[in-house]
Amino acid sequence: DAGVIQSPRHEVTEMGQEVTLRCKPISGHNSLFWYRQTMMRGLELLIYFNNNVPIDDSGMPEDRFSAKMPNASFSTLKIQPSEPRDSAVYFCASSEVQETQYFGPGTRLLVL
Amino acid sequence: SQKIEQNSEALNIQEGKTATLTCNYTNYSPAYLQWYRQDPGRGPVFLLLIRENEKEKRKERLKVTFDTTLKQSLFHITASQPADSATYLCALENSGYSTLTFGKGTMLLVSP
Repeated sequence: DAGVIQSPRHEVTEMGQEVTLRCKPISGHNSLFWYRQTMMRGLELLIYFNNNVPIDDSGMPEDRFSAKMPNASFSTLKIQPSEPRDSAVYFCASSEVQETQYFGPGTRLLVL
Repeated sequence: SQKIEQNSEALNIQEGKTATLTCNYTNYSPAYLQWYRQDPGRGPVFLLLIRENEKEKRKERLKVTFDTTLKQSLFHITASQPADSATYLCALENSGYSTLTFGKGTMLLVSP
């Protein structure tokens, strides 16, 4: 299996622009998680899907962030409009038994 | 409020010695605790899971203990090697929510 796939790996954008991050979970996994990692705050859970349904989005910072999972093999995290404080590494992870999580390589986002 | 503490300072040890990393938590009652390894520029990788009714878990050179009374987990790497140099994250299950909260991690540096 190719593991969790994320794209793009790097994104540089200007403040105010829309950013879309993409994730393909491991086939057969029914849970998907979006995280954000910064030096100051560490790894923070943004949103958790189970069987394509959002279960817990309490970590989504504000209305500028939205996430979708239209099917079992694809999810997006969108930031609109982006701000410099959104600069971070965004990880997608998936799991089968809701215990062990398998992380993607991350998307490094820089908002200027 | 809930809190997870890992040593923020890097742990420097010599090759062949045992590395011991600490994870302390407050206001949690996790059903299980996990340890992950993260290398620079990569996503975390699962290492071990230990449940609340288990005192100790081993996997090759790795050993994890879990003391629910002290609210502490210790992570040991015996016969450490330079290739063990990485950041190690502990993660606690959020009771009944099928999600994890991660500590900020401790960087381990093993010198030859």
